[in-house]
Amino acid sequence: QVQLQESGPGLVKPSETLSLTCAVPSLTITFGYSWAWIRQPPGEGLEWIGNADHSGRTFYNPSLRSRVTLFLDTANNHFSLNLTSVTAADTAIYYCARRWQFLTQEYFDQWGQGTLVAVSS
Amino acid sequence: QSVLTQPPSVSAAPGQRVSFSCSGTSSNVGNNFVSWYRLLPGTAPKLLIYDNHKRPSGIPGRFSGSKSGTSATLDITGLQTGDEADYFCGTWDSSLSSYVFGSGTKVTVL
Repeated sequence: QVQLQESGPGLVKPSETLSLTCAVPSLTITFGYSWAWIRQPPGEGLEWIGNADHSGRTFYNPSLRSRVTLFLDTANNHFSLNLTSVTAADTAIYYCARRWQFLTQEYFDQWGQGTLVAVSS
Repeated sequence: QSVLTQPPSVSAAPGQRVSFSCSGTSSNVGNNFVSWYRLLPGTAPKLLIYDNHKRPSGIPGRFSGSKSGTSATLDITGLQTGDEADYFCGTWDSSLSSYVFGSGTKVTVL
């Protein structure tokens, strides 16, 4: 079982940048997989935000691409999310997850517990 | 609005079986592998099924998945109170160039 732990502020003001980090203490993040962020607004379903891998490749949800940056910090073995110009619509539980992908196989096999981020003044 | 459609809720008594679908199109379910996830408030989401029908290590055989055309199905047999949760399907959507999730199904054990 790979542990993932999200951390970051629980409250962000509108128009500011939401920054979250996911620590992976039990596995080196450069080993094989890629790493994802997924969110769930209150009362709604899941939304994929994007993935990043150790080679620097990133894939983003087209609806968020203009505001999202994902990156791996291999020195500290964690990966991060920056979401700019947030609004109330960005209020959600944010999950980090390990992603496996090969050809048309794709799934998220390990998840963090999630962290609630509210956007409010 | 979710790209993949699931029934909002299903329910059954302990020991019974529930089955619910995840409907999509040829851009997603029809041509890509489907996975299923269980969400319980305050806990890490769990992968139940990947590649349409495979179970990760540790997931009991009571959970099974299948796919036919543009619809996937999750079956839970021998329902337990601990199975009460929200369940989501997911897959890649080639038209949207995005991973997409279903609208979610709440399982209630009566």
